[in-house]
Amino acid sequence: SAVISQKPSRDICQRGTSLTIQCQVDSQVTMMFWYRQQPGQSLTLIATANQGSEATYESGFVIDKFPISRPNLTFSTLTVSNMSPEDSSIYLCSVVTVGAVSETQYFGPGTRLLVL
Amino acid sequence: AQKITQTQPGMFVQEKEAVTLDCTYDTSDQSYGLFWYKQPSSGEMIFLIYQGSYDEQNATEGRYSLNFQKARKSANLVISASQLGDSAMYFCAMRINAGNNRKLIWGLGTSLAVNP
Repeated sequence: SAVISQKPSRDICQRGTSLTIQCQVDSQVTMMFWYRQQPGQSLTLIATANQGSEATYESGFVIDKFPISRPNLTFSTLTVSNMSPEDSSIYLCSVVTVGAVSETQYFGPGTRLLVL
Repeated sequence: AQKITQTQPGMFVQEKEAVTLDCTYDTSDQSYGLFWYKQPSSGEMIFLIYQGSYDEQNATEGRYSLNFQKARKSANLVISASQLGDSAMYFCAMRINAGNNRKLIWGLGTSLAVNP
């Protein structure tokens, strides 16, 4: 499996500000995803990050609030814009590696975000 | 509707005993995949085991096995010889086709506590 890193690992932010989370993979991957996990909840898919084109967002998530970039096959960013306390969550990126028969998603360590 | 159901919010098991975590699914797809992930209190998501819808044999990975009953649409995780380090949240997920993308849908999770 790939080694996936996320920056920052955690942050405390003021409402109304924005935070950009980075996801870096040590090998080329076919698909990258961004998830949100609110306290005590399951994972919710925010979007699929497409290389060189706009991300594919899930119902309830919009580009203005969660802009995503994926400039190459190994790097993606998620921005949480105009934050409110309801955005306090763990944000996780996941990847599917090239040649993965089962299309298993492997996850980064997550970014713990607290919005005050 | 495509859905994953985990009916056990919390489970207890004695160290060294086996435990079964339930997962049922609903899909009209003929081709799908079922996954189990472990999330310790540290927050990382750890892939445990995969079962493809066309796999005739139950998947096994060390102490983990997947009891796949296709007709009943169940994919229960069996952990043998439980260890204290197995205490964590366990999520069942299903890979589905969604337009041009394939994505995971998730159950609500089961919290497992291993007692010494």
